[in-house]
Amino acid sequence: GAGVSQSPRYKVTKRGQDVALRCDPISGHVSLYWYRQALGQGPEFLTYFNYEAQQDKSGLPNDRFSAERPEGSISTLTIQRTEQRDSAMYRCASSPMGPRGDEQFFGPGTRLTVL
Amino acid sequence: KNEVEQSPQNLTAQEGEFITINCSYSVGISALHWLQQHPGGGIVSLFMLSSGKKKHGRLIATINIQEKHSSLHITASHPRDSAVYICAVSGSNYKLTFGKGTLLTVNP
Repeated sequence: GAGVSQSPRYKVTKRGQDVALRCDPISGHVSLYWYRQALGQGPEFLTYFNYEAQQDKSGLPNDRFSAERPEGSISTLTIQRTEQRDSAMYRCASSPMGPRGDEQFFGPGTRLTVL
Repeated sequence: KNEVEQSPQNLTAQEGEFITINCSYSVGISALHWLQQHPGGGIVSLFMLSSGKKKHGRLIATINIQEKHSSLHITASHPRDSAVYICAVSGSNYKLTFGKGTLLTVNP
């Protein structure tokens, strides 16, 4: 079946612009996670959804970052007034059940470049 | 100090060699994950384990909870095994904490 998909795969934007990154999880997966990965580093947690509820947003760097999953399926990560330091790979993952160590299935990521 | 430490950071091997990548962690966990990141950037989950040992094909993962240590072994390595291997842990909540990864290059 289809895996986790993300769009766009690549996004180049100018500093100050808003961007919206989309994640389409595996159908039926309850949990959805957003991570950010800098070059040469492992991913870092941003936020987590259980169905449509955002259970944890403690990893979001500041209030320019927000995420939603209004119908418990597709999720959007929005970055307002982008800055160069926001450049990174943004990854989405989903898992079939609740939290506590479920295997996570990762999307291909969106490579964001802020000029 | 990172909560998850991997070693080595870089590893170069000849085809056919037995490979070991190590992961140490400093927090209590409910599960440890080994992930493979392909050169194109995609991440694939290899193993999730909370005790003992798991095997899938040429890959073997072990974990020692008391020592807070896990190893990923690759037997009869092949150039297509070249990738970044990432160790991650999950605790009593859902968050994964990742190591920085080990870049493995297997030469023919």
